Amino acid sequence: AQSVTQPDIHITVSEGASLELRCNYSYGATPYLFWYVQSPGQGLQLLLKYFSGDTLVQGIKGFEAEFKRSQSSFNLRKPSVHWSDAAEYFCAVGGGSTLGRLYFGRGTQLTVWP
Amino acid sequence: DGGITQSPKYLFRKEGQNVTLSCEQNLNHDAMYWYRQDPGQGLRLIYYSQIVNDFQKGDIAEGYSVSREKKESFPLTVTSAQKNPTAFYLCASSIGQPHSNQPQHFGDGTRLSIL
Repeated sequence: AQSVTQPDIHITVSEGASLELRCNYSYGATPYLFWYVQSPGQGLQLLLKYFSGDTLVQGIKGFEAEFKRSQSSFNLRKPSVHWSDAAEYFCAVGGGSTLGRLYFGRGTQLTVWP
Repeated sequence: DGGITQSPKYLFRKEGQNVTLSCEQNLNHDAMYWYRQDPGQGLRLIYYSQIVNDFQKGDIAEGYSVSREKKESFPLTVTSAQKNPTAFYLCASSIGQPHSNQPQHFGDGTRLSIL
């Protein structure tokens, strides 16, 4: 069955520090992977996606993610965090067999200290 | 600008009442989705529709109903059978099959509360 695990419920970093948010997925075939960000009371905004090709993908707002098939992971990274990055981050997996459905992790809440 | 419009932003329901949440998209997408979001639980799929006049139950469909009479619209009704309806509801759309590698686009949500 398809599933996504985000092991960290809450992460706190200082502004200017590097960031890595973890995501592990379970999917039997080639996955389509997504990272979304949500500000309080808002919808989800797509940060980046992976479905084939280069395993390091670049997204908006300076984020990147690396697909590692051997580890079933798709971790999100940013070299230097800004206070405006404070939000909740969701990883999602889909694929050819899911008929457009996405399976979301429970999210990681990011707090940024000034 | 193309996008997804959810209305109202806040909705209050008395116990025993049905309420309908609106979702309209002008992205010309075939597929539409309804999610429920509770703190710490991520997004849980209620219903989804791949094409007009067709829809499927998601993981938590009990107490909810939908219709898909037009491509642009996918309203969600929260019935009195839903015992704990207080939540944040998100509507999304995507291009649809066979382009399952394309992302979903989200509205800004409706927060439903029980009076």
